[in-house]
Amino acid sequence: SQKIEQNSEALNIQEGKTATLTCNYTNYSPAYLQWYRQDPGRGPVFLLLIRENEKEKRKERLKVTFDTTLKQSLFHITASQPADSATYLCALDEAGSYQLTFGKGTKLSVIP
Amino acid sequence: SQTIHQWPATLVQPVGSPLSLECTVEGTSNPNLYWYRQAAGRGLQLLFYSVGIGQISSEVPQNLSASRPQDRQFILSSKKLLLSDSGFYLCAWSVWGGGDTGELFFGEGSRLTVL
Repeated sequence: SQKIEQNSEALNIQEGKTATLTCNYTNYSPAYLQWYRQDPGRGPVFLLLIRENEKEKRKERLKVTFDTTLKQSLFHITASQPADSATYLCALDEAGSYQLTFGKGTKLSVIP
Repeated sequence: SQTIHQWPATLVQPVGSPLSLECTVEGTSNPNLYWYRQAAGRGLQLLFYSVGIGQISSEVPQNLSASRPQDRQFILSSKKLLLSDSGFYLCAWSVWGGGDTGELFFGEGSRLTVL
């Protein structure tokens, strides 16, 4: 069966350090992989998208990698700040579909 | 710019009562529309999606239904709510094709508590 797993439910990190979140998937052939941020009581907000033929994508302090051989994406936040504390969701589509399937998310807490 | 409106934001309903959640999108044409549910401690679950007026695809068998009476309007309904219907309901839109890659834009959500 198809599965998306984010490595941990919660991750605590000291301010200024790099946070690394993992997303693994099985039995998908995604055209894209996306990352979202969700604050409590709010809808998710799109952050980054990486295509299957891209290895890495950057946006300000964010970096995403995508390894279709390992079936894994890594999401990095460098120089983390308390304002980065939120739940981060990965999502992917089955190539050719209109649907995004989400992982359960990792709750990141950046400690001052 | 595009905006998405979803209402009501919060509602408390008794078991067996009907439900209607509404979502409208502005600033885009022919979007794909989605209803997701997020139950406590669980991930986002896709309930319905629509690629056009009157076209609804259901992902999960349940006592919920969806309708798309207009291009930018999406409605989630139930005739009789169950306790298990409690959760955070999110409407979203996306555009695919022509260089667009299906990023989802979510509404603010509707928190439903069934008692």
